[in-house]
Amino acid sequence: TQLLEQSPQFLSIQEGENLTVYCNSSSVFSSLQWYRQEPGEGPVLLVTVVTGGEVKKLKRLTFQFGDARKDSSLHITAAQPGDTGLYLCAGVETSGSRLTFGEGTQLTVNP
Amino acid sequence: EAGVAQSPRYKIIEKRQSVAFWCNPISGHATLYWYQQILGQGPKLLIQFQNNGVVDDSQLPKDRFSAERLKGVDSTLKIQPAKLEDSAVYLCASSLNSRGSPLHFGNGTRLTVT
Repeated sequence: TQLLEQSPQFLSIQEGENLTVYCNSSSVFSSLQWYRQEPGEGPVLLVTVVTGGEVKKLKRLTFQFGDARKDSSLHITAAQPGDTGLYLCAGVETSGSRLTFGEGTQLTVNP
Repeated sequence: EAGVAQSPRYKIIEKRQSVAFWCNPISGHATLYWYQQILGQGPKLLIQFQNNGVVDDSQLPKDRFSAERLKGVDSTLKIQPAKLEDSAVYLCASSLNSRGSPLHFGNGTRLTVT
């Protein structure tokens, strides 16, 4: 059983469209991070959320942490081809210290 | 600041051979991680060091995998003997500490076992 479930697994959209990626779990997290990974490179941190209900914005990206700190979402407005990549959520359980990654959402934005 | 350095970038070996990967973390980062990323999956933690001590190696297949960080800086990950299912990208990451600090990843070593 995967600790962090990401959906959808694959997403292919046209430039200018909006999209939302979800990261869900039955566990409670002390913090949750979102990373983006491009082919041939390591993941790069986008944001860290730590407070239930927290919303953070990074240009066209909006990140939300669920009130119960069990889930998170990433919304991209007016997607661009440069947004293409593998989006990974990763969380630290309140009961531990290990950072566990989800399986990722592969996003392709077509021009 | 210089990023996390890993070498080699690519490695092809036959099953039952041995292989070693090297990682140089960001200067001053106390925590170092080795992750295995199989194609189409998220990274899976193999081992986590705090300075030169092991914090978490519960998911490391210890019958064939070993890792060390002798002076609390560079680290090596070894596989001996390799199996076909070890084909993956091996990512090294470092962070200032182990309590929620963001991870900085290297570009990984892509291992193919034939």
